[in-house]
Amino acid sequence: NAGVMQNPRHLVRRRGQEARLRCSPVKGHSHVYWYRQLPEEGLKFMVYLQKENIIDESGMPKERFSAEFPKEGPSILRIQQVVRGDSAAYFCASSPRQGRLPYEQYFGPGTRLTVT
Amino acid sequence: AQTVTQSQPEMSVQEAETVTLSCTYDTSESDYYLFWYKQPPSRQMILVIRQEAYKQQNATENRFSVNFQKAAKSFSLKISDSQLGDAAMYFCAYRSAANTDKLIFGTGTRLQVFP
Repeated sequence: NAGVMQNPRHLVRRRGQEARLRCSPVKGHSHVYWYRQLPEEGLKFMVYLQKENIIDESGMPKERFSAEFPKEGPSILRIQQVVRGDSAAYFCASSPRQGRLPYEQYFGPGTRLTVT
Repeated sequence: AQTVTQSQPEMSVQEAETVTLSCTYDTSESDYYLFWYKQPPSRQMILVIRQEAYKQQNATENRFSVNFQKAAKSFSLKISDSQLGDAAMYFCAYRSAANTDKLIFGTGTRLQVFP
């Protein structure tokens, strides 16, 4: 069984460029979460999506960041006009459903974004 | 808002010995879940153990066990018979049972294991 896949694993962008990070959840999972990990810090929640819907974007910066999870295809985290402070590891996780049971969030290997 | 605190930035243990990593959290909720994740140098996040707040019994997974003190809002991880492969960053995480299931992470504890 394929786990959560993220690509690219490493991404280098110059200041002002756009970064597009892709996440393919575990097959059959319809819930996706994006987290950001700054150097020497824990993961910080950014956004929670279901297919075609944003459920919770309370952790997303108000500007330059957007996320989508279309009916077909991977989830995309898009960062426009990147700045040096966006340099971080971005992790995607997926789970099969929301509910009282603590469904595990399966994490991908992360994308390390470096802004030069 | 809920917070998770890990007060030990680094810990070390001798191979085959036991080590305990601390985690405290703050919440006004009565129903929630707690997790310990391991992040080795590969950066892959691996779930080590989970605990439901409504369960009094402490969770165990092989060499890993927790000491869950709900009143004290404490959730420590004990690793027995430590192995070299246990060396990693360990993150404590909180998830509300009432809200969306986003995870709130602590800042992590780096565990070194010496032969």
